[in-house]
Amino acid sequence: GEDVEQSLFLSVREGDSSVINCTYTDSSSTYLYWYKQEPGAGLQLLTYIFSNMDMKQDQRLTVLLNKKDKHLSLRIADTQTGDSAIYFCAESIQLGGGYQKVTFGTGTKLQVIP
Amino acid sequence: ETGVTQSPTHLIKTRGQQVTLRCSSQSGHNTVSWYQQALGQGPQFIFQYYREEENGRGNFPPRFSGLQFPNYSSELNVNALELDDSALYLCASSSGLLEQYFGPGTRLTVT
Repeated sequence: GEDVEQSLFLSVREGDSSVINCTYTDSSSTYLYWYKQEPGAGLQLLTYIFSNMDMKQDQRLTVLLNKKDKHLSLRIADTQTGDSAIYFCAESIQLGGGYQKVTFGTGTKLQVIP
Repeated sequence: ETGVTQSPTHLIKTRGQQVTLRCSSQSGHNTVSWYQQALGQGPQFIFQYYREEENGRGNFPPRFSGLQFPNYSSELNVNALELDDSALYLCASSSGLLEQYFGPGTRLTVT
């Protein structure tokens, strides 16, 4: 079955790097995602990585995927107070009939201290 | 290009009642997925609609049902509301299978 786990809380100082970790259990995942949710808002897709990739960089964001250990991480360089939010890791599995099942983790609350 | 919109923003219902939540998908998107996000939790997949047909469902009872219309907008219906149904309900639209765009959600409170 699918299970996605994340640590609940991370606190960093402004300007430092943040690393948010995630583990998943289903080896048939095709895409892995990072979403950001600010208070009272919906989810914003930050970045995604194909399961056959090891790394993806997008401006301040770096995603690392260790498929053997089923471990995904999101590094935010030069963390700003505006990065304070809850970050969700998610995996998707392609099933029959064009159906994509997406399973989310419980979220990591990132607090950036000025 | 308009994003995903949901209505209403907030809703308060009594246990046993029925509720309908609405979602307008992003222009050009033919797939809509619904999620339930309880307080302090990640979103849980309810079901997905593709071209007006349900083509995937999570672990939710039959009292959770939906519709997708020819313009790809969608409704989520919940019958016989229970206190545990209190949550943020999120709709996400996509074209193809890669990127889902989420709406702001409907906050449902069941008393």
